[in-house]
Amino acid sequence: GGIITQTPKFLIGQEGQKLTLKCQQNFNHDTMYWYRQDSGKGLRLIYYSITENDLQKGDLSEGYDASREKKSSFSLTVTSAQKNEMAVFLCASSISSNYAEQFFGPGTRLTVL
Amino acid sequence: GDSVTQKEGLVTLTEGLPVMLNCTYQTIYSNAFLFWYVHYLNESPRLLLKSSTDNKRTEHQGFHATLHKSSSSFHLQKSSAQLSDSALYYCALSGNSNNRIFFGDGTQLVVKP
Repeated sequence: GGIITQTPKFLIGQEGQKLTLKCQQNFNHDTMYWYRQDSGKGLRLIYYSITENDLQKGDLSEGYDASREKKSSFSLTVTSAQKNEMAVFLCASSISSNYAEQFFGPGTRLTVL
Repeated sequence: GDSVTQKEGLVTLTEGLPVMLNCTYQTIYSNAFLFWYVHYLNESPRLLLKSSTDNKRTEHQGFHATLHKSSSSFHLQKSSAQLSDSALYYCALSGNSNNRIFFGDGTQLVVKP
């Protein structure tokens, strides 16, 4: 078995601030994902990475940057936090296959004041 | 492009009644995989069941779903709802081999005594 950890668990930022979320996995999975979860809007893919140093844009990449410096870690940066923004950011990983189960982390809850 | 539709945002049931959560999808790929993920409050989303075989019933933890390619559907069912089934349920689709899956907007299931 393995585990995905996300830090921080809660993130409070100011409008316009640059904020970084981190994700680590010890499954030795090749592929990692960042999703944004908003009430009533499901899980929207921001970025994913199929291997170290790879980056693929999802459906919601505008306003975000991502970085996969090594196989086990995948970070997400909110380039300019939007006032009153509230969302949960979920990191996931899987083996490289279109039928593979994705394993999710516990999430980072973002609040922008 | 690939997409998943979950038409019910909220389903409220009385304990003991049958559960049916609707999922329809669109894809051009004949070997698509369909998934149901469940997200309990204060936990991480996790895979409930998956299938790529037409007209074959897939079961797990009391839930079942049958992929019907003729109607592009993968509805989630359970014969008798329990209070502990209250959660957010996501239907998801993987159409090709680019390692990403497409999630529906989710259906919040609330089971009342």
